[in-house]
Amino acid sequence: KAGVTQTPRYLIKTRGQQVTLSCSPISGHRSVSWYQQTPGQGLQFLFEYFSETQRNKGNFPGRFSGRQFSNSRSEMNVSTLELGDSALYLCATAGVGTGELFFGEGSRLTVL
Amino acid sequence: AQTVTQSQPEMSVQEAETVTLSCTYDTSESDYYLFWYKQPPSRQMILVIRQEAYKQQNATENRFSVNFQKAAKSFSLKISDSQLGDAAMYFCAYRSGKGAQKLVFGQGTRLTINP
Repeated sequence: KAGVTQTPRYLIKTRGQQVTLSCSPISGHRSVSWYQQTPGQGLQFLFEYFSETQRNKGNFPGRFSGRQFSNSRSEMNVSTLELGDSALYLCATAGVGTGELFFGEGSRLTVL
Repeated sequence: AQTVTQSQPEMSVQEAETVTLSCTYDTSESDYYLFWYKQPPSRQMILVIRQEAYKQQNATENRFSVNFQKAAKSFSLKISDSQLGDAAMYFCAYRSGKGAQKLVFGQGTRLTINP
């Protein structure tokens, strides 16, 4: 059973640009959530999607957005990048009725 | 809002010894899950152990076990017979039992294994 796949693994952007990150969940998993990990703030919840609907949202500015497709794949987008957006972005997926979240390897974003 | 606190930023242990990582949490909910995740330098978050709040019995997974004290809102992780491969960041996490897949993480404990 394939795991959670995140692409790209690494990317470098400059301030003001935008970025799109992708997450393909484990087959059968319909919930996808996103987390930002930084040395200063730790792991913070961004948002969660279930059946193409945003079910939960963390305390992040509107520059951070996401969506989920009918095949459960999810993308998150960050517009007008700032230096502070440099982070590891982790995607996690879960099946229905389970308590566990399974994580991808993350996308390391560096903003210059 | 729920919070999770890990008071030990770093811990070290000799190989083959036992180490306990601490975690406390705050919630007004009665139905929830608690987890310990391990993040090695490869950075992929790996589930170590989970505990459902309604279960009184402490969860155990091979060398890993928890001490779940619901009234005290404490959830510590014990690693027995520590191995070099156990070196990693360990995160304690909380998830509400109400369906949303949102994890609240502690700040993490960096565990070093001394050979």
